[in-house]
Amino acid sequence: DQQVKQNSPSLSVQEGRISILNCDYTNSMFDYFLWYKKYPAEGPTFLISISSIKDKNEDGRFTVFLNKSAKHLSLHIVPSQPGDSAVYFCAASGMDSSYKLIFGSGTRLLVRP
Amino acid sequence: DSGVTQTPKHLITATGQRVTLRCSPRSGDLSVYWYQQSLDQGLQFLIQYYNGEERAKGNILERFSAQQFPDLHSELNLSSLELGDSALYFCASSVVPEASSYNEQFFGPGTRLTVL
Repeated sequence: DQQVKQNSPSLSVQEGRISILNCDYTNSMFDYFLWYKKYPAEGPTFLISISSIKDKNEDGRFTVFLNKSAKHLSLHIVPSQPGDSAVYFCAASGMDSSYKLIFGSGTRLLVRP
Repeated sequence: DSGVTQTPKHLITATGQRVTLRCSPRSGDLSVYWYQQSLDQGLQFLIQYYNGEERAKGNILERFSAQQFPDLHSELNLSSLELGDSALYFCASSVVPEASSYNEQFFGPGTRLTVL
């Protein structure tokens, strides 16, 4: 039973345009959501997070939106750069999951020059 | 560089064997987490230790065990290895045991295990 789903395994965008990565979750008890970025041969690195009391969090070119009623979050990268090409993982946690991080399967982003 | 180190980087072994993966958390982090990433899958939480004690357990097989030592480094022991155990194994560390707005997990570079 996948509680966190990233339905798009890959995404390709032109440099300078917006990248939108999506994530859906099923557990309404999740109250903290994160995005991690992973380059080949490296461990995931934390990118941005959002608490369930917010619907938007922004950090430079990265913005995460949370729609609790739809159990959906998205990561917007504007403008996209070739260095953003990586695998992006969505993760969620909450008291219900003993605060373990539950990861989605990842979306591979390719930013074309 | 996250400050979390994992050894070895690569490990190739045969079915039925036993291996030990090692993780050193960031300086000051008391919590260590182990994750498994199989091909094209997300990271699956295995187990968490906080200051030497088991804190949370995920989908960890009985053939797998872990411990955290007084110096806070951790080891993941995998025994009676099967082909399906081939995966990337990541260790992460954090200051406090709970995943929250105040707690970020920092990941090591992983150990790639290949079981032949």
